[in-house]
Amino acid sequence: GNSVTQMEGPVTLSEEAFLTINCTYTATGYPSLFWYVQYPGEGLQLLLKATKADDKGSNKGFEATYRKETTSFHLEKGSVQVSDSAVYFCALISTNTGNQFYFGTGTSLTVIP
Amino acid sequence: DAGVIQSPRHEVTEMGQEVTLRCKPISGHNSLFWYRQTMMRGLELLIYFNNNVPIDDSGMPEDRFSAKMPNASFSTLKIQPSEPRDSAVYFCASSRQWEQYFGPGTRLTVT
Repeated sequence: GNSVTQMEGPVTLSEEAFLTINCTYTATGYPSLFWYVQYPGEGLQLLLKATKADDKGSNKGFEATYRKETTSFHLEKGSVQVSDSAVYFCALISTNTGNQFYFGTGTSLTVIP
Repeated sequence: DAGVIQSPRHEVTEMGQEVTLRCKPISGHNSLFWYRQTMMRGLELLIYFNNNVPIDDSGMPEDRFSAKMPNASFSTLKIQPSEPRDSAVYFCASSRQWEQYFGPGTRLTVT
């Protein structure tokens, strides 16, 4: 079947620290992978995506590379800011899932000054 | 585009009352999703529609929940009768290709 597993949170970092949030997946078919971000009191927003193996998605300083060999899509940022404090969700959609997305459980990030 | 629009943004009701949540998807999107988010269970898919037709409602908790999509620009999620355990944030999302766009959510409190 299809599923996404994210590292447990919460994660607390100091400003300018390096961020990694791990995400692994299982999928049938050919998945596309996504990271969504949810700021307090808001809905989820698409942060970045990758549609095929070895693609790198990037946005706002965040990056994630689609690794088929390790079935992973880890989110990274070189220097986090207080404004990056949010909940991050890894998600996939696959060629055999119709339009249904599979979301991870979310990882809460708090960045302290 | 205004994005996905949900109403109301906040709803407080008493146990046993009927609750109706509304969603207007982004114009041109052919899929619509209803999610529920709680601290305990995280983000749960309740039901989704393709071209106004319900495709998978296996996430609907029980018969008290129902969803309709009478046309491409409107959907409702109804809870009747409501219970305190239904308290959550309910999100509507729409998509056309393989990107989902979420609304701001409706925070439901059932007392």
